[in-house]
Amino acid sequence: GAVVSQHPSRVICKSGTSVKIECRSLDFQATTMFWYRQFPKQSLMLMATSNEGSKATYEQGVEKDKFLINHASLTLSTLTVTSAHPEDSSFYICSAKFQVGTDTQYFGPGTRLTVL
Amino acid sequence: DAKTTQPPSMDCAEGRAANLPCNHSTISGNEYVYWYRQIHSQGPQYIIHGLKNNETNEMASLIITEDRKSSTLILPHATLRDTAVYYCIVRAPGVIQGAQKLVFGQGTRLTINP
Repeated sequence: GAVVSQHPSRVICKSGTSVKIECRSLDFQATTMFWYRQFPKQSLMLMATSNEGSKATYEQGVEKDKFLINHASLTLSTLTVTSAHPEDSSFYICSAKFQVGTDTQYFGPGTRLTVL
Repeated sequence: DAKTTQPPSMDCAEGRAANLPCNHSTISGNEYVYWYRQIHSQGPQYIIHGLKNNETNEMASLIITEDRKSSTLILPHATLRDTAVYYCIVRAPGVIQGAQKLVFGQGTRLTINP
């Protein structure tokens, strides 16, 4: 199956700093990537949809100036959590959809962010 | 997207078939049924999807009722590594604006017992 990677897998940062998370599709080109957030014992919540070469579409209630998304190529999307605070601590997961054909999304392994 | 209803939890003995039900009574004619699972602290893993016909792959089988209002995911010989939360999601093809996103419910927590 298609492989999606994320880096880093785990990050701890101080409050007020910014953190960048990378999402890569390793063996296919992805026109669309998605960013989700998952709090403990809860389901995944979509944050934004990212299309290569265009601005991301954010879900209601997600601050676009706080969660910066860049999708500069067909294999890489980045999520930057700016001025992180403890309440941003969460499990961040990306997914990618093939350029053509199937609508199936393939997920990365996730990034555990802890803000102290 | 249509809402789905799944039991919050299920148990199954190792080596037996695990049958996970999903109700999607308001599904539209062009909406697919997708199944994903999430093992603890990992990203979701795609399992299978279908529209009308039953589907089978190396991981599982998907049985969709004739009226498409419900479906069942079958793991034919469950192992301990199949312990996970299983999500049933329905969605339309990606050509429709906003239809690309997956809306995750609470899923079914499947526990495989030795």
